[in-house]
Amino acid sequence: AQTVTQSQPEMSVQEAETVTLSCTYDTSENNYYLFWYKQPPSRQMILVIRQEAYKQQNATENRFSVNFQKAAKSFSLKISDSQLGDTAMYFCAFMKRGSSNTGKLIFGQGTTLQVKP
Amino acid sequence: DAGVTQSPTHLIKTRGQQVTLRCSPKSGHDTVSWYQQALGQGPQFIFQYYEEEERQRGNFPDRFSGHQFPNYSSELNVNALLLGDSALYLCASSYRGPSGNTIYFGEGSWLTVV
Repeated sequence: AQTVTQSQPEMSVQEAETVTLSCTYDTSENNYYLFWYKQPPSRQMILVIRQEAYKQQNATENRFSVNFQKAAKSFSLKISDSQLGDTAMYFCAFMKRGSSNTGKLIFGQGTTLQVKP
Repeated sequence: DAGVTQSPTHLIKTRGQQVTLRCSPKSGHDTVSWYQQALGQGPQFIFQYYEEEERQRGNFPDRFSGHQFPNYSSELNVNALLLGDSALYLCASSYRGPSGNTIYFGEGSWLTVV
């Protein structure tokens, strides 16, 4: 069975600074996807970034980037130039590759991020 | 292009009652998955529907059941409600093709059991 662990329940950062959220996972699978989702107070789950395990290059989406260490089973999210709108709960999630697994995500416990003005 | 839509947004039920939640997937998506998210926790996978059949199931009792219709929309039914069923229920849609690795979520249905 796969597990996802986020060891930082809460974090805070000053506006315009950089913050890194940690995530580790455990799996015996070789082909999978990793995701970071953002859930603001509205509770809408929003995809931030996606990483395919077979790609060595770290994914980047504007101010968001990941540090994917497959051997260490680590998948951290870096948010640069933090904005007040980044305040939310962030979830790391794992999904096995394969059409039958599409939609079945394993989530971590979440990290609450507060961006301070 | 409408995203994933869920209804109702909020509802309150009494212990022992039954509830039905509804979900319409994003256009072009054929797979619907349901999640339960307790306050302060990460979402937990309940089950997944594809081609009108339950394909995968998480660790949830048989009180949780579902259905998928020919238009890909889906329902989640929970019978004999318990206080512990109070949670946000999220619907996620995806496409079961080779590029179907992006999952979109609805805004959720808040269920309170009293």
